Formats: sequence, C-alpha cells, structure tokens
Amino acid sequence: GDSVTQMEGPVTLSEEAFLTINCTYTATGYPSLFWYVQYPGEGLQLLLKATKADDKGSNKGFEATYRKETTSFHLEKGSVQVSDSAVYFCALLMYSSASKIIFGSGTRLSIRP
Amino acid sequence: DTEVTQTPKHLVMGMTNKKSLKCEQHMGHRAMYWYKQKAKKPPELMFVYSYEKLSINESVPSRFSPECPNSSLLNLHLHALQPEDSALYLCASSQEGAGTDTQYFGPGTRLTVL
Repeated sequence: GDSVTQMEGPVTLSEEAFLTINCTYTATGYPSLFWYVQYPGEGLQLLLKATKADDKGSNKGFEATYRKETTSFHLEKGSVQVSDSAVYFCALLMYSSASKIIFGSGTRLSIRP
Repeated sequence: DTEVTQTPKHLVMGMTNKKSLKCEQHMGHRAMYWYKQKAKKPPELMFVYSYEKLSINESVPSRFSPECPNSSLLNLHLHALQPEDSALYLCASSQEGAGTDTQYFGPGTRLTVL
C-alpha cells in the first residue's frame, strides 16, 4: 500500500546550520506531497506542497522538490533558526474519492542557539 | 485566510461525562475531518464529512459521535470515554474532500480523560 518514510529524529542542529530532512514515499499512482509543521502545543500547519513531478514547494525559507525518479520529497533550509524547532511531518495524498492523508512518522527538530 | 478554529483548547472530563468539541471554518470548504493524535505520533483519521454527509468512519468506537450541523461547523460529541482516549483532537477542512485537496488544520483540543 501507499506509505511515507521519514528520517528518524530527533535532529539537533546549531542556529544557521543547513537542514535536510529526508522523506521518501511509495505510491501506486501520482500523489500530491506535503510538509506539515507542528510547533510545541499546537496543531499542524501546512508548510509547503507540490502536486506533480519536478514541482518545488517553498515557504519561510524551506524548500522541497517532488522527485518522481527517486520517489522523494526532502525538506531543506539553508540557515535554520531557533524558532524552527518543531516536529515536521511529510505526507502524501492520492487522487481518489476520499481525501485520506498518509503521514510519515514525524521528525523532531531542535535548534541550539 | 486559511483558518480553522477549535474550542475548547483544553478539556478535562471524567469517564461518565458528556462533552462536545467544536470546529469552525469560513473558507467555504465542503469537507471537514476529525483526527486523533497521540504524543509523538502522526495524526490518525477518525471521520470525514463531505457536503455535510459522513463519508468516512475509520471504525471509531461509538463513544465518539460526529455531527455536521452545516458546512462551516463540525462537532465531536464525547460520552463514556476511557483514559486511553486522552489525546490531541484535530479538526481539518479542505475544498471538496476528494482528489488531492490540501487539508488545513486547526490548533486542536487537548483532551484528558480521568
């Protein structure tokens, strides 16, 4: 079945470091791909999305490119801030009659000042 | 504006209580969702309403009863819950509830069952 695999956390970085959180997926068709972020004590916020191969989603300095050949959607940021500390979920959504998101397990990111 | 609001923010209830969670969106979305999220886990889908009709029930126990009074509101009625039902309950909405519409989440209600 369809699935999403994320790199295990926690990930701890120093401020201004480069961030990569790996995400790969398995899907029988052509899904839309998402990154959601969850700050401590809050709900999920949509960070970025991509709906077809080679699309690049970007927001708040974060980027991810939909790579069909490697079935990946890795999240990157050039210079992280303490305020980026949160849990990041990669997710996919297949075109179907029901919008059932498939989430990865989440990656906890901690940024040291 | 992509805002989904939820009330209350926190709820503590006993196993014999009856309470309700509320969710509201004014984006004109026609699909609304309830998710349950346990600590350090991704959200798990509970119910989907599409055009005010229940379209998905993920085999949720009957002590959880959803209601969609209109296209902007979604309630979750709680009765005779168990301590293991303590979790963050998230509401979400999307344009249609089909295809690959983006789902927008609310801030959640943190429920504690004593």
